Amino acid sequence: DVKVTQSSRYLVKRTGEKVFLECVQDMDHENMFWYRQDPGLGLRLIYFSYDVKMKEKGDIPEGYSVSREKKERFSLILESASTNQTSMYLCASSLSGRRDTEAFFGQGTRLTVV
Amino acid sequence: GNSVTQMEGPVTLSEEAFLTINCTYTATGYPSLFWYVQYPGEGLQLLLKATKADDKGSNKGFEATYRKETTSFHLEKGSVQVSDSAVYFCALSSGGSNYKLTFGKGTLLTVNP
Repeated sequence: DVKVTQSSRYLVKRTGEKVFLECVQDMDHENMFWYRQDPGLGLRLIYFSYDVKMKEKGDIPEGYSVSREKKERFSLILESASTNQTSMYLCASSLSGRRDTEAFFGQGTRLTVV
Repeated sequence: GNSVTQMEGPVTLSEEAFLTINCTYTATGYPSLFWYVQYPGEGLQLLLKATKADDKGSNKGFEATYRKETTSFHLEKGSVQVSDSAVYFCALSSGGSNYKLTFGKGTLLTVNP
């Protein structure tokens, strides 16, 4: 079974903390993505990466950074967590170069910043 | 830029009712279109897709037809079940070799027995 695994299902962090969300995929996919999901707003793209050490900003990158040192792993970093970053975070991966490529999602990390 | 507009929810139906969830899009280039489903407590998974005009995607009794003239990709099912209760997302992929997905806001479907 193909898998995208996020390191935590639930996290509670304090305002100002540095937070790391980890994602690993076992499908040798080139593309990896971080989305946040909020009620009434759907999924919004934070960052994506199309190769090791390569990254591009999505629609809402402010307050976030990412790291991709190995092909299978894509980390989302909240440099100084704030309460408005309380959300569900979804990681996804896909093959590059195909218009009909399917994205595979992890189960999500529900982050609460207090 | 790309955008997806889908029917606002929530939608509540009785078992065996007919389902339609509307989806329209704007896109640069020639997009591929998708429906993803999110069951409670899980991530998203692909339900169906279509890659060119007049293509019909289908899976688990759900269908959607790629209508280029109306820029639409409406999801339909003839007879819903309680197990279809979930959030449904319309999405498109267009532009560049990385084919990022752009999602609609999602529609919550609840099916009652």
